[in-house]
Amino acid sequence: AQSVSQHNHHVILSEAASLELGCNYSYGGTVNLFWYVQYPGQHLQLLLKYFSGDPLVKGIKGFEAEFIKSKFSFNLRKPSVQWSDTAEYFCAVTLSGGYNKLIFGAGTRLAVHP
Amino acid sequence: EAQVTQNPRYLITVTGKKLTVTCSQNMNHEYMSWYRQDPGLGLRQIYYSMNVEVTDKGDVPEGYKVSRKEKRNFPLILESPSPNQTSLYFCASRDDKTETYEQYFGPGTRLTVT
Repeated sequence: AQSVSQHNHHVILSEAASLELGCNYSYGGTVNLFWYVQYPGQHLQLLLKYFSGDPLVKGIKGFEAEFIKSKFSFNLRKPSVQWSDTAEYFCAVTLSGGYNKLIFGAGTRLAVHP
Repeated sequence: EAQVTQNPRYLITVTGKKLTVTCSQNMNHEYMSWYRQDPGLGLRQIYYSMNVEVTDKGDVPEGYKVSRKEKRNFPLILESPSPNQTSLYFCASRDDKTETYEQYFGPGTRLTVT
């Protein structure tokens, strides 16, 4: 069955540290890839998405992600985190065909300490 | 403003008392979906609808019903809620015309069944 794996369930960083959150998916076909963020008490917001073209995607708030097709990965990065980045981050994949189902990873909870 | 709205935002109810969570979108999207979010499990799809009068089960449909009589509305019905349906529920709609399959999420409904 298709799945999305996020390697880290909880990450704790100090402000200005660099961030990389891992995401791998298991599906051999064409995919669209997303990172969503959920700030405490809020709904999901789209950080960035990969549809086609340049595998290095830049999103809002200084985030970026790189699609590496050979590794089935779409890791999220930020060079220098801020306290306001404290949130839960979800990787999601849309599988082509059928009704283009969106499959979410379990999420990574990030806490940034001042 | 383009948005997905849900009501109520918070609900505490008792086992067996039927309830409906409403969802409405103003973006003329054909595709709508319901998810539940549970700690460590990410978001799991309950039901989805490709268009008016077209609905289908997602990954965790047991105990839920939906209807899609109008394009903008997609209510979630719990005929006889049970404590294992205590969760955070999100409605989403999707713009299929862009072929990126980006989903837009509502603010969430936190349901507690005692």
